[in-house]
Formats: sequence, structure tokens, C-alpha cells
Amino acid sequence: GAVVSQHPSWVICKSGTSVKIECRSLDFQATTMFWYRQFPKQSLMLMATSNEGSKATYEQGVEKDKFLINHASLTLSTLTVTSAHPEDSSFYICSAREGQPLYNEQFFGPGTRLTVL
Amino acid sequence: KNQVEQSPQSLIILEGKNCTLQCNYTVSPFSNLRWYKQDTGRGPVSLTIMTFSENTKSNGRYTATLDADTKQSSLHITASQLSDSASYICVVSRRYGGSQGNLIFGKGTKLSVKP
Repeated sequence: GAVVSQHPSWVICKSGTSVKIECRSLDFQATTMFWYRQFPKQSLMLMATSNEGSKATYEQGVEKDKFLINHASLTLSTLTVTSAHPEDSSFYICSAREGQPLYNEQFFGPGTRLTVL
Repeated sequence: KNQVEQSPQSLIILEGKNCTLQCNYTVSPFSNLRWYKQDTGRGPVSLTIMTFSENTKSNGRYTATLDADTKQSSLHITASQLSDSASYICVVSRRYGGSQGNLIFGKGTKLSVKP
């Protein structure tokens, strides 16, 4: 089956620093990648959608200058949390989709736990 | 408003027992409904996916049902195992014409299987 990896799996940083999270599709080409955020006991919330080679589309309320997304290749997307603050602490999950599948199938990564001190 | 509601919020059962999780949705236009299993600290893993015309779909000990008329779905787990302890998320996909995700997530049911 399709595999999506994320790195790192967890990160702890000081307030004010920037953190980069990588999302890779290991055995397929992901024309579209999605970034989600999940707070404890909450459902996944879509932050942004990125298509390879173009600018990401952000959901309402998500600051594009704070959450920088780059989808430079068909197998890699990165999310950079700039000037992180404790309220940015969350579980960040990416998903990847190949082409325009019939069922809009997305394959999820294992997630990255970000803790901002 | 497009919403997915799941019940119960949490559930504790003994190993070997069966259980049923519920999902009600108000998503339109409907494309498909899927159930995911999410272990603590991990990403969701797909269990089943059903389109409008499908009433039931099984994946091992997991059986999902869909009633598109009442907009309800259930996930039945038989002969539960300790490894079934996880959150089970119901996700409804809207029919779309662009590249957006258009997945509406429920909050999940946290299942704990005790020995």
C-alpha cells in the first residue's frame, strides 16, 4: 500500500524558533499534499492544501506567513512553523494523494508531535 | 453545515467482546464515507471506504454499514483484541471539482479494550 512518512516524529523547541516538518510519499507521486493539525481529543483540522510546484491554499484562519508550506517535488512537502509559540504545540499530520483518484483517497503520515516551550 | 457526529465519545469493552460505533453526517453533496483507525500518536489508517450505493463493507473483524437515506454509518468490531484500542474516526468526503481535500472529520470514538 501507499506509504507516507514524516520527519521528525516529535520535536521540542523554544518559543521564537522555527521548526521544519517533512512529509514524503515513499512509493508514489503525490500531486497533492495536505497538512492537518490535531489538538488533544479533537478531530483533524485541515490547515492547507499544496499542489506540486504551486503555492499552497490555506484554510480560513490559518496564517500563511506563520505556517510556510513548500511542495517542491512530487514526493516531498515541508511545513515550517515560524516563530513558534506554545499555542502552536500540536500534532501535525500530513496526507498525500496521487492524481485525482475516484474516491479522493488520501494516505496519512504518522504525524509529528510539536512541543513549544 | 457539513458535520460528522460520532458516538459514543469513548467506550471500554472486555477483550473478545463485540462493539458498534456510530456515525451520523450532514455532508452534502456526498461522495463517500470511510472509517479510520488512529493509534495514539500516530496517523490515521484506512479501514473501509463506502460509496453511496454500498450498504456494507468488511475488512477482517471490522464491518462498516452505510444508510445513505438516514445518513448514518456504523462500524462493528467483532471479537475485540487488545490491539483494537485506538480512536476510530468517521470521515465523509464531499463530491468536489477542485483539488481541495473536502474531507469532513468526526471527532472519533476512543475505544479501550481491557483484558
